[in-house]
Amino acid sequence: RKEVEQDPGPFNVPEGATVAFNCTYSNSASQSFFWYRQDCRKEPKLLMSVYSSGNEDGRFTAQLNRASQYISLLIRDSKLSDSATYLCVGTSGTYKYIFGTGTRLKVLA
Amino acid sequence: SQTIHQWPATLVQPVGSPLSLECTVEGTSNPNLYWYRQAAGRGLQLLFYSVGIGQISSEVPQNLSASRPQDRQFILSSKKLLLSDSGFYLCACPGPRETQYFGPGTRLLVL
Repeated sequence: RKEVEQDPGPFNVPEGATVAFNCTYSNSASQSFFWYRQDCRKEPKLLMSVYSSGNEDGRFTAQLNRASQYISLLIRDSKLSDSATYLCVGTSGTYKYIFGTGTRLKVLA
Repeated sequence: SQTIHQWPATLVQPVGSPLSLECTVEGTSNPNLYWYRQAAGRGLQLLFYSVGIGQISSEVPQNLSASRPQDRQFILSSKKLLLSDSGFYLCACPGPRETQYFGPGTRLLVL
């Protein structure tokens, strides 16, 4: 079983739609979690950290459920510019970061 | 804030040839440094990390090696490339609050 698993998609949604991605992790000792965004042929860039209490940044909301070991990302009012691959990341130990394979999102006009 | 430079940006190499990819970091001192590889259609795989000069931890046994000759320099090498070494190689260092900050990457195609 992979340490961090994501549905690869692609998720094709119309502009303005709300879309949600889930990610599960197997290492219950993982302390910190993040969502990264990766555009085609570019490096991943931090989208947001994920806190147990849930956190929101504009149209983006992240949730962490430690009991069920999953993380979610909700995107409201999707824009064409949101099209990208979204990577779920968890820490493993002091120095290591475990990345999911990513979920592809395509927002359609 | 830190800046990561990687070169070359793209590279096409024949099977069996050597490899040297370089990563340098500005704007921070004594950072932890990481090499990742992203193969086509796959997730980021941690290859090596370093907590200081001369200190290398290898995550996956393979055809590659890493060195850290200076505080802000991290080098990925191979003596003989395999087809399976093709991929997108990313250097990273810590960002604020436990995040990872990535360089622009080197796209390697082994033919």
